[in-house]
Order: sequence, then C-alpha cells, then structure tokens
Amino acid sequence: EAQVTQNPRYLITVTGKKLTVTCSQNMNHEYMSWYRQDPGLGLRQIYYSMNVEVTDKGDVPEGYKVSRKEKRNFPLILESPSPNQTSLYFCASSLGQPNEQFFGPGTRLTVL
Amino acid sequence: DAKTTQPNSMESNEEEPVHLPCNHSTISGTDYIHWYRQLPSQGPEYVIHGLTSNVNNRMASLAIAEDRKSSTLILHRATLRDAAVYYCILRDLMDSNYQLIWGAGTKLIIKP
Repeated sequence: EAQVTQNPRYLITVTGKKLTVTCSQNMNHEYMSWYRQDPGLGLRQIYYSMNVEVTDKGDVPEGYKVSRKEKRNFPLILESPSPNQTSLYFCASSLGQPNEQFFGPGTRLTVL
Repeated sequence: DAKTTQPNSMESNEEEPVHLPCNHSTISGTDYIHWYRQLPSQGPEYVIHGLTSNVNNRMASLAIAEDRKSSTLILHRATLRDAAVYYCILRDLMDSNYQLIWGAGTKLIIKP
C-alpha cells in the first residue's frame, strides 16, 4: 500500500531534549516536505527536499533541522525543543508538480 | 502567491450533492487549482486538481469558471464520511518548491 508513515504519532517531551520525528514513504517520490499545523494558523511549511541531499527552508524553519540521506526518509530534528514548537506535524511526499501530495497521519508533539 | 477565498463553513444533508465554492481572482496562467480535505484527526488528503477544464475523479468533480477566477468542488452524493475541512489551494507550476499554501478552508458539516 502506498503510504507515508511518521513516528512517533504522539510525543511529550521537555524543553531542550533533542528529538527526531521520522518520515518514510514507499512511493519512490523525489519531493518530501514537513508542515506544522496550529489552530488559527493553518498548515505552514517547515522544510522541503527536492531530492536526496537537496533540502531547503520553508516558511517557518527556525528551530528545526532536516536531512535527506535516502530517497525514502526525511527526518525532522528538533535540537533543542521549546514550548512554542508544540504542534501537530505532517510529512508529505510527491512525484512533483502538479501531482498530488500524500500526507502522513501526523505527529502530535507537546513540549513542556 | 495568489490567494483563495472560501466560506468558513457549509452544511448539507446526507446523500445530497454539495457545491463548495472557491474564489481566486488573482490566479495566474500557470496556477493549478488543487483541493484537499482533512478529516478529523487525520492528515490532509488529496481530492482533485485542474488547470482550465472541468475534471472528474472517483471522489469529486471540479468545475472551473471560464475566466478561472473561481471554481467549485462538487461532491455528488455526500456521506457522513465526507465531513471534513476542504481546502482550495493554488499551486504555481513554475514554483520550484511544490509547497501548498493553506488557507482556513471550508468546514463541511453533513447532517444525517
């Protein structure tokens, strides 16, 4: 089954404790992206990747890092999480313009 | 980026057609019109997209005005499972970042 998977689905952590949210897709998509969703602000892009070893900032990249060492994986790294990074995170992948984007189920992160 | 305007919410009865409008008066010639939806507690899901001509797929139909300044997503026979937030999004084919710019969307309420 074609899908985007994210882990963990739920995470509660404390300020400053490094964490990684994994994202994997099995559709051989070149494009992958991370979004965060906050009430009243909608979904906003954090980082995106056009292909292996090619990443770029989206609209809200501060406090996040990403890497793309393999085509299927695009982990989101929070080196020193802060409470304002409490949010719902979605990973997405796509073949490219203008094709549809496939979204993962989301990761709900709470930073205390 | 060209913006879209959608009603905040709409109600419809189960098993009746639903017409969800979207205005995009500043659309450019290379903007595709995409529709996604987000069911409660799930990641966004692609519905349909089009450029100039009306489009049909198994989920819905997309009717695009002749001047492309508006479009309508048509659910031919709404079910309770179609209750979701529907997003109308413009994506520029020339944009190297396949980013989706999300608005507030239309919350569709289906009454049994």
